Amino acid sequence: GDSVTQMEGPVTLSEEAFLTINCTYTATGYPSLFWYVQYPGEGLQLLLKATKADDKGSNKGFEATYRKETTSFHLEKGSVQVSDSAVYFCALVTGGGNKLTFGTGTQLKVEL
Amino acid sequence: SQTIHQWPATLVQPVGSPLSLECTVEGTSNPNLYWYRQAAGRGLQLLFYSVGIGQISSEVPQNLSASRPQDRQFILSSKKLLLSDSGFYLCAWSVPGGEFVNQPQHFGDGTRLSIL
Repeated sequence: GDSVTQMEGPVTLSEEAFLTINCTYTATGYPSLFWYVQYPGEGLQLLLKATKADDKGSNKGFEATYRKETTSFHLEKGSVQVSDSAVYFCALVTGGGNKLTFGTGTQLKVEL
Repeated sequence: SQTIHQWPATLVQPVGSPLSLECTVEGTSNPNLYWYRQAAGRGLQLLFYSVGIGQISSEVPQNLSASRPQDRQFILSSKKLLLSDSGFYLCAWSVPGGEFVNQPQHFGDGTRLSIL
């Protein structure tokens, strides 16, 4: 079955540091890939998405590129802020399916 | 634009009491609807999903149930809550995907349920 693997957290960075959160996947067919963000006490918000190989999703300074050859969708940001502290979830869906497959989430803590 | 509402935002219930959490979506028709549970510090567990009125698929056997009495209304219920039912419950919706079109899900703000 489909699966998503994320790097273990928490990830602790200083403000303005470069961020990478790794995400790899296994899937049948041609998945669409997503990153969601969950701020403390809130629901999940769709951060960015990519629907086919080599697509780059971007939003709020975050980027992720759909790499079919390495089955990866790593999240990056050039300069993090304290307000980026949250839990980040990588997810996929395939074949027009009704269910998302989520990774376990990676907590990011950004300190001054 | 589409919006999703969940209530209540927080709930404290004694063990053995009933539960009803409600979720409604506005601005779209015939959405797919989902209930998830998130235990503290853990990932998301899909509990139920629905592709239409009266159509409920259960992912995890448990003492919870779901119903969809109207197109854009999704209810999570229990007759007798257990301590293990504590958690953060999230409702989500999506546009139904096609064979070659994958759609993201959009989440509500969640209900934090504490069982005493």
